[in-house]
Amino acid sequence: GNSVTQMEGPVTLSEEAFLTINCTYTATGYPSLFWYVQYPGEGLQLLLKATKADDKGSNKGFEATYRKETTSFHLEKGSVQVSDSAVYFCALKDTDKLIFGTGTRLQVFP
Amino acid sequence: DAGVIQSPRHEVTEMGQEVTLRCKPISGHNSLFWYRQTMMRGLELLIYFNNNVPIDDSGMPEDRFSAKMPNASFSTLKIQPSEPRDSAVYFCASSFSGHPNYGYTFGSGTRLTVV
Repeated sequence: GNSVTQMEGPVTLSEEAFLTINCTYTATGYPSLFWYVQYPGEGLQLLLKATKADDKGSNKGFEATYRKETTSFHLEKGSVQVSDSAVYFCALKDTDKLIFGTGTRLQVFP
Repeated sequence: DAGVIQSPRHEVTEMGQEVTLRCKPISGHNSLFWYRQTMMRGLELLIYFNNNVPIDDSGMPEDRFSAKMPNASFSTLKIQPSEPRDSAVYFCASSFSGHPNYGYTFGSGTRLTVV
């Protein structure tokens, strides 16, 4: 069945450091891929998405490229801020259901 | 657009009491999802509806949990009787069914504490 695997956290970085959070997926067919972010005490918010191979999703300085050959959708940001501290969820969707990864907590220190 | 609206934001109840959580999806969305989030188990899909019809309730933990969607603009998740292990944050989300490119829009959640 379809599944998403994320790197375990927490990821701890200093402000302005480069961020990568790894995400790989297993799917039949050609799913759409998503990154969601959850700030403390809030619900999940859509951060970015990509709907086909080689698409790049981007938002708020974050980027992720849909790589069909490596079945990956890694999240990157060139310079993180303290305000980026949150839990990040990778997800895939084939028809109606989103399949989420377990989430990766990012902690950014000044 | 007010987004997905959940109520209450916080609920504290005693073991054995009935709890009802409410959700108003985004107007025009025809899929609705109930999730539970805990530190131990992460994010769990409990049930989802398409066009007000329950499609998959395999995630509902036991018969104490029930969910309804009487119309396109309202859904409830009920726990009767509640137990301390039901303490969690419950999220509602909505989307368009049959559109793989659309993600979900989540509500802010209801934090349930059963004492």
